[in-house]
Amino acid sequence: KNQVEQSPQSLIILEGKNCTLQCNYTVSPFSNLRWYKQDTGRGPVSLTIMTFSENTKSNGRYTATLDADTKQSSLHITASQLSDSASYICVVSAKGNNRLAFGKGNQVVVIP
Amino acid sequence: DTAVSQTPKYLVTQMGNDKSIKCEQNLGHDTMYWYKQDSKKFLKIMFSYNNKELIINETVPNRFSPKSPDKAHLNLHINSLELGDSAVYFCASSQDRTSGSTDTQYFGPGTRLTVL
Repeated sequence: KNQVEQSPQSLIILEGKNCTLQCNYTVSPFSNLRWYKQDTGRGPVSLTIMTFSENTKSNGRYTATLDADTKQSSLHITASQLSDSASYICVVSAKGNNRLAFGKGNQVVVIP
Repeated sequence: DTAVSQTPKYLVTQMGNDKSIKCEQNLGHDTMYWYKQDSKKFLKIMFSYNNKELIINETVPNRFSPKSPDKAHLNLHINSLELGDSAVYFCASSQDRTSGSTDTQYFGPGTRLTVL
């Protein structure tokens, strides 16, 4: 079983609407959690990085939340734009080693 | 431009051939990585080098051999290519070697390998 599970697997939303992507993890001990955006045919680009003590972090219209107690994170996209169509990947790292656990991504399609 | 660059962007080859993918970063980072992304878009780390020293070597067939001539370059050589090697390979770099750090990993544009 993957240590990082993301839902929904894919999502279609109308331009201008908001959406929320979920990431649940079992990685322990927790060090930090990252959200990446991957456009089709491109490499992933970092959106946010959060450590244990951070509950929320924003990057423009993207807002990530973290609940380290329940081991859940969300990525909220506000006022979606066509350029938000991409895969959003949740990545969790553990303390004490160099390993990163990747989710399979949330595929978001924004339609006009 | 400061970036992580990979060549070639596309690679189509026959089964059994040997091929290399090159990666260069001019960000001054100490750590570089190779990832494989399969058809289901799942990213998996393959290797990580810090200052030319191998620090992560996941369960990857020994047909895959990374080579780091200096800390700005991490090339991936693949021997005896198989159909299952078809995927997109991403190079990345970060300043800090530990995934526990909050240093961002910067990814290259990817190399789409197709084995026929």
